[in-house]
Amino acid sequence: EIVLTQSPATLSLSPGERATLSCRASQSVSSYLAWYQQKPGQAPRLLIYDASNRATGIPARFSGSGSGTDFTLTISSLEPEDFAVYYCQQRSNWPVTFGQGTRLEIK
Amino acid sequence: QVTLRESGPALVKPTQTLTLTCTFSGFSLSTSGMCVSWIRQPPGKALEWLALIDWDDDKYYSTSLKTRLTISKDTSKNQVVLTMTNMDPVDTATYYCARIPAGMDAFDIWGQGTMVTVSS
Repeated sequence: EIVLTQSPATLSLSPGERATLSCRASQSVSSYLAWYQQKPGQAPRLLIYDASNRATGIPARFSGSGSGTDFTLTISSLEPEDFAVYYCQQRSNWPVTFGQGTRLEIK
Repeated sequence: QVTLRESGPALVKPTQTLTLTCTFSGFSLSTSGMCVSWIRQPPGKALEWLALIDWDDDKYYSTSLKTRLTISKDTSKNQVVLTMTNMDPVDTATYYCARIPAGMDAFDIWGQGTMVTVSS
């Protein structure tokens, strides 16, 4: 089973700042990595798939990069609505796995 | 418009079997490449993938839970059903169903989730 390790666990930033979230896989997942945003009381929302493709309707300030075992989600300039929990997920190998999440909080 | 909606009991007793139904619209699970999955989230914790069924009726399960899970589909009713046996209080969680569309390896549309509490 591929383990996804996200860092940091919590990231404290201010609106307008740049956020960089990391996801590391225990073995290569090629580019089969996705990122989700989850706000309290809501279902997760797909942001990025195949490591770097923005999902429909996702603002350009969200970008993904990486391949193999190291991936990054970057939010170029934080908006108030971006403070949430972010998860990475892989389907390169069965079973599907998720990371433990990064909480992005307002500083 | 693609939608998914989970339904099932809000409360089950320990040792009972949980049956959840995902009713979807806006797509067909008989379309090549289409998949529907179940994912859960205990209160305050991370997402945990449970099971997936694809258009060809292939089924995949969580390694740790596979002996307790069964996923099935009824294409004519646009439904995917998950059963989980021998429920325990640690299975208390919000249960989501989500779609993987053809050509993608990510869950693009999620249901709102249904909270299931396991308690006597």
